Amino acid sequence: AQSVTQLDSQVPVFEEAPVELRCNYSSSVSVYLFWYVQYPNQGLQLLLKYLSGSTLVKGINGFEAEFNKSQTSFHLRKPSVHISDTAEYFCAVSDLNQGGKLIFGQGTELSVKP
Amino acid sequence: NAGVMQNPRHLVRRRGQEARLRCSPMKGHSHVYWYRQLPEEGLKFMVYLQKENIIDESGMPKERFSAEFPKEGPSILRIQQVVRGDSAAYFCASADYTGGQETQYFGPGTRLLVL
Repeated sequence: AQSVTQLDSQVPVFEEAPVELRCNYSSSVSVYLFWYVQYPNQGLQLLLKYLSGSTLVKGINGFEAEFNKSQTSFHLRKPSVHISDTAEYFCAVSDLNQGGKLIFGQGTELSVKP
Repeated sequence: NAGVMQNPRHLVRRRGQEARLRCSPMKGHSHVYWYRQLPEEGLKFMVYLQKENIIDESGMPKERFSAEFPKEGPSILRIQQVVRGDSAAYFCASADYTGGQETQYFGPGTRLLVL
């Protein structure tokens, strides 16, 4: 069965510093990859997605992620974070052979400090 | 275009009562997914429905939980005889898979507290 691992449960970082949130998934022939952000007491908002094509994907709020098939990774990056980026970030995989349901990682809590 | 709507946003029930959670998908979306987020955990898939059909219920607990998505009206997640362990945030997501759109859009969630 497909699984997703987010290697860091918490990532503290200072404002304007770069950040990388790591995500690895178990190998599968055909997957779609997503990053979602969840602000406190809210639902999930899509940041970006990889379906096919270019392995570097750009999303909203200045985030980007790179799909690396050989390392089965989909790390999320931002060159300069803001206080408003403080939130929980979830990596998810959709296995095309399992009807499109999303398999989520445990989440990474990004805390941006002034 | 309104987003995915869920109600109620917060629901308090005593042990043994029933909880009904509603989800109205985005306009034109015919695919609905339910996920549960337990405290300090990620989201776990529960069930996938299309209009009048349950497609995949592999994540649903075997007892007390049921889901439907009727031809008219919202999708309903029903929990009978709730227990404290059912306390969680329940999220619904909808999707439209025509034209290669593979994205699920999430509602704000219903936070269930069982006393």
